[in-house]
Amino acid sequence: QKEVEQNSGPLSVPEGAIASLNCTYSDRVSQSFFWYRQYSGKSPELIMSIYSNGDKEDGRFTAQLNKASQYVSLLIRDSQPSDSATYLCAVNIPEGSARQLTFGSGTQLTVLP
Amino acid sequence: GAVVSQHPSRVICKSGTSVKIECRSLDFQATTMFWYRQFPKQSLMLMATSNEGSKATYEQGVEKDKFLINHASLTLSTLTVTSAHPEDSSFYICSARDRGHEQYFGPGTRLTVT
Repeated sequence: QKEVEQNSGPLSVPEGAIASLNCTYSDRVSQSFFWYRQYSGKSPELIMSIYSNGDKEDGRFTAQLNKASQYVSLLIRDSQPSDSATYLCAVNIPEGSARQLTFGSGTQLTVLP
Repeated sequence: GAVVSQHPSRVICKSGTSVKIECRSLDFQATTMFWYRQFPKQSLMLMATSNEGSKATYEQGVEKDKFLINHASLTLSTLTVTSAHPEDSSFYICSARDRGHEQYFGPGTRLTVT
């Protein structure tokens, strides 16, 4: 079982819609959770971090964390074509491990004009 | 804030030569830096983790004698690809973590070995 799993997509939504990206993780002691956006040919850019259960909102982005279900999601409201990218979910393994941030394989999002 | 730079952004070298890539945290001190490699349409692959002043920890399958990592200061880490071969052609990305939990990526270096 992969440590961090995401649907690879591609996920297509029309402009103005809500895009919902999901991620599950296997390590129950994971403490920190991140969403990165990666445009084609570019490096990942941190867009959201979340550390406690519940919702965290930042502009059009909302991250949701449910540690009991080992599930983290990212909602993008009022999706724009410029949101088209690959979204990477990342989970922080506790201190002491060489691999401190484990990435999912990413979900490719396309927002259709 | 939290800016990480990489140099060069793109490099082409001949097979058998060595290439050095620099990664700098510009506005914070990075206690830990990470080096990743990404092939086209594939996910990030962690190569190694380096802490300032100590030896890097390499992921399984990554040759430490081929990918030399030096983390000489809290703002600079270097990756040297020694005796590069065409199969080493890839997108190399560093990231840096401050004393918190967040990790910031550099813009990446595209290496092409001919």
